[in-house]
Amino acid sequence: AQKVTQAQTEISVVEKEDVTLDCVYETRDTTYYLFWYKQPPSGELVFLIRRNSFDEQNEISGRYSWNFQKSTSSFNFTITASQVVDSAVYFCALSPGGTSGTYKYIFGTGTRLKVLA
Amino acid sequence: DTGVSQNPRHKITKRGQNVTFRCDPISEHNRLYWYRQTLGQGPEFLTYFQNEAQLEKSRLLSDRFSAERPKGSFSTLEIQRTEQGDSAMYLCASSLVPGQGNTEAFFGQGTRLTVV
Repeated sequence: AQKVTQAQTEISVVEKEDVTLDCVYETRDTTYYLFWYKQPPSGELVFLIRRNSFDEQNEISGRYSWNFQKSTSSFNFTITASQVVDSAVYFCALSPGGTSGTYKYIFGTGTRLKVLA
Repeated sequence: DTGVSQNPRHKITKRGQNVTFRCDPISEHNRLYWYRQTLGQGPEFLTYFQNEAQLEKSRLLSDRFSAERPKGSFSTLEIQRTEQGDSAMYLCASSLVPGQGNTEAFFGQGTRLTVV
């Protein structure tokens, strides 16, 4: 069975603190994609990153960084120097990969991040 | 291109009534997905289309739910005889077939359904 677990329901930090959002996944597929999406109060899911299962390189984009470790089935997301605008619900998701893949996502339950001024 | 558009944004209906939601995907996208999100949960997959063909339906999609994408462009999701448990945010997303040039599905802002 495929599953995504985000154990942190809600995190509160003070502006400029670093924060890491955890994601653990389960799949028997050898090829898959992992994603992070941000959901602000407006409701629209905003894409942040996609990772292929065969690419374990960590990635940094501005204040955002991602750590993918197949050995622990984790795909964690770190925001450096958090800002109030980062306040949102963040979802980790898994989908089948390869040429026959689809964006039929399996989402975690989300982590609500509150950044306090 | 204004992204994925969903209408209406909010719908309040009485139990037992039928409702229909519309999704207009990004114009060149051949895949279209419907998800349902209840409060405090992540979105759950309902169904998806490639062009006008409905390729997969989740077991969450009961007989009271039907989705169509008649010309491979916009899609509708109809719920018949609504129940209070149908209250949720219904999200639509679109994409190209993976490998054809984009890396993810793009989501609309959703239709929030409240059944009273």
